[in-house]
Amino acid sequence: KAGVTQTPRYLIKTRGQQVTLSCSPISGHRSVSWYQQTPGQGLQFLFEYFSETQRNKGNFPGRFSGRQFSNSRSEMNVSTLELGDSALYLCASSQQSSSYNSPLHFGNGTRLTVT
Amino acid sequence: DQQVKQNSPSLSVQEGRISILNCDYTNSMFDYFLWYKKYPAEGPTFLISISSIKDKNEDGRFTVFLNKSAKHLSLHIVPSQPGDSAVYFCAASPSTQLTFGSGTQLTVLP
Repeated sequence: KAGVTQTPRYLIKTRGQQVTLSCSPISGHRSVSWYQQTPGQGLQFLFEYFSETQRNKGNFPGRFSGRQFSNSRSEMNVSTLELGDSALYLCASSQQSSSYNSPLHFGNGTRLTVT
Repeated sequence: DQQVKQNSPSLSVQEGRISILNCDYTNSMFDYFLWYKKYPAEGPTFLISISSIKDKNEDGRFTVFLNKSAKHLSLHIVPSQPGDSAVYFCAASPSTQLTFGSGTQLTVLP
């Protein structure tokens, strides 16, 4: 089974621009979550989608948004980029909307650098 | 406020010995705990989990212990191997919204 695929692996953007990141979950997985990893804040939850509906949202500003398509693929968008948005963005998928007996499987992430 | 804490940023052990990684949490609503391993330039990889109704779960060389009264969990790796060198994150959850600790860099010396 193919793992979680994230594209692109690396991105360099300028302050004020917007960016879209893509995630293809493991086949059969309906839940997709996004996390931000920074050296100072560690791994922080952004949001989770299940069957095209946002189920949970972390404590991030409205500039961070996402969506999920009918094939479970997900995109994450960040508008009006700030220097502090530079981070590794990780996508994870699971079969259910609960981690019980269905742990998250992570992709290798998209490294975003904002200059 | 950090709801999941890993107070040791790094740990070094000799190959063949036991590695013990610790994690503390503050939120009583957490009822499911997981450990992930992360290599540079890769995403975290699931290692082992434990439900709050248990106090121990084993999978090969990996054992996780949960002490609910102390709000503490630990990961034991026996015997440690050089390939185990990575950053280990503990995570806690009532759902797929995981709260992660800051990680512990484990180095296994040959």
